[in-house]
Amino acid sequence: DSGVTQTPKHLITATGQRVTLRCSPRSGDLSVYWYQQSLDQGLQFLIHYYNGEERAKGNILERFSAQQFPDLHSELNLSSLELGDSALYFCASSSQTGVSYEQYFGPGTRLTVT
Amino acid sequence: AQSVTQLDSQVPVFEEAPVELRCNYSSSVSVYLFWYVQYPNQGLQLLLKYLSGSTLVKGINGFEAEFNKSQTSFHLRKPSVHISDTAEYFCAVSRYNQGGKLIFGQGTELSVKP
Repeated sequence: DSGVTQTPKHLITATGQRVTLRCSPRSGDLSVYWYQQSLDQGLQFLIHYYNGEERAKGNILERFSAQQFPDLHSELNLSSLELGDSALYFCASSSQTGVSYEQYFGPGTRLTVT
Repeated sequence: AQSVTQLDSQVPVFEEAPVELRCNYSSSVSVYLFWYVQYPNQGLQLLLKYLSGSTLVKGINGFEAEFNKSQTSFHLRKPSVHISDTAEYFCAVSRYNQGGKLIFGQGTELSVKP
C-alpha cells in the first residue's frame, strides 16, 4: 500500500459526460501528479500541483482540468468525454518539488467511456 | 526534450533464469532515472532509482540496474527470476528543475514461465 488513495476505482460513463476523479496524497506530501495510461499512448504525464499551485502541465487536453485543495487532496475533472478518453488515470504524490526523488502511485481509476 | 525507449515490449523467460530489460534515454541535460513495476490491476511501485553516485543501483526484490552515461542506458537486471516477477516494467526519467514529472517508456512485459 503506497498510502495514496484514489476514488472511484472504476467509472463507466457515456460520451459527452463530465466526471471527477479524486486523489488523496500520502500524509505530508505536498506534490500531486496526474498520469494517464492508455494502450495507444502509454503512460503520459498530465499535470503537477504543489501545495495548491499548478507547477507543470503535460499533454493535458483543454477539456481536462485539475485542482489541489487546502487539505492537499486533488481532483481531476474530465468533461465532454470522448471514447478515446477511456484509460487508467493515476495520481502520484511526492514530498519534494523541483526534483522528484520518488513518486508514490495510487491504485488508479479506470475510466470507460461508452 | 527527453524520451525513453524500452527496446523490448515482451520478454519471456523461464523461472530461475537471468533477465535483462533494456532502457535507453535521450536528453541534452542530466536526468534522474527510475524503474517502476506494475502488477496486474495495480498501481506502479518503484523498484529502484539513480540520482547520482555509484552507477550500479540495487533495488527491491533482487533487481539492480546500471547507469551508463556514454551509452545513455539504464538496463534492469535480475540474476534469477521468480514466477512472481511476472509484471510490466517501466523505465522513466525526470529532469532536474522540471517539477519532477516522469517521462515513461512504453513498458516491457516480463513473463516468467515455470
